[in-house]
Amino acid sequence: EAGVAQSPRYKIIEKRQSVAFWCNPISGHATLYWYQQILGQGPKLLIQFQNNGVVDDSQLPKDRFSAERLKGVDSTLKIQPAKLEDSAVYLCASSLLQGGGTDTQYFGPGTRLTVL
Amino acid sequence: KNQVEQSPQSLIILEGKNCTLQCNYTVSPFSNLRWYKQDTGRGPVSLTIMTFSENTKSNGRYTATLDADTKQSSLHITASQLSDSASYICVVTSGGYNKLIFGAGTRLAVHP
Repeated sequence: EAGVAQSPRYKIIEKRQSVAFWCNPISGHATLYWYQQILGQGPKLLIQFQNNGVVDDSQLPKDRFSAERLKGVDSTLKIQPAKLEDSAVYLCASSLLQGGGTDTQYFGPGTRLTVL
Repeated sequence: KNQVEQSPQSLIILEGKNCTLQCNYTVSPFSNLRWYKQDTGRGPVSLTIMTFSENTKSNGRYTATLDADTKQSSLHITASQLSDSASYICVVTSGGYNKLIFGAGTRLAVHP
């Protein structure tokens, strides 16, 4: 079974530039998550999709971050414009069910973003 | 405020030794508690999941315990191997929409 795919793996940009990350979840998984993980910290949920609808985006900085999940499958996360404090690893995860219980999240390898 | 706190922040042990990592949480409503292993440069991988009624769960050399009364969990690693070097993250799930609250993790280094 293929895992969660993310690209690119690494990205270096200057502040005020724009950047986009792509995620392809495990086939058939209804729920998709984007996390931000700053060095030395645990992941922080940015946005959670259930199929192509947003379940939770309470911690997404909506003035600069946006995300969409096309046709309930792939997803893109965009930052425009980037700030120095956005330097982090952006993790995508997916799960089979629609929340609750002991549903396991499967994580992708992440995209390491460096903002100079 | 929902929080998950882990200790120690980092730990160094010798290969073959045992160790125990701690997790305290203040999360409500509680759904389940998970331990993840995160290798450097990789995404987290689930080790164990425990619900309210479970107080121990094993996965090979990893054994997790849960005390729902004191809101504490531990992860015990037996006969450590070099490949156990990683960050171990405690995650508590709250509510009906699988909202995960992550701890900061314990960084474990196993030396030969």
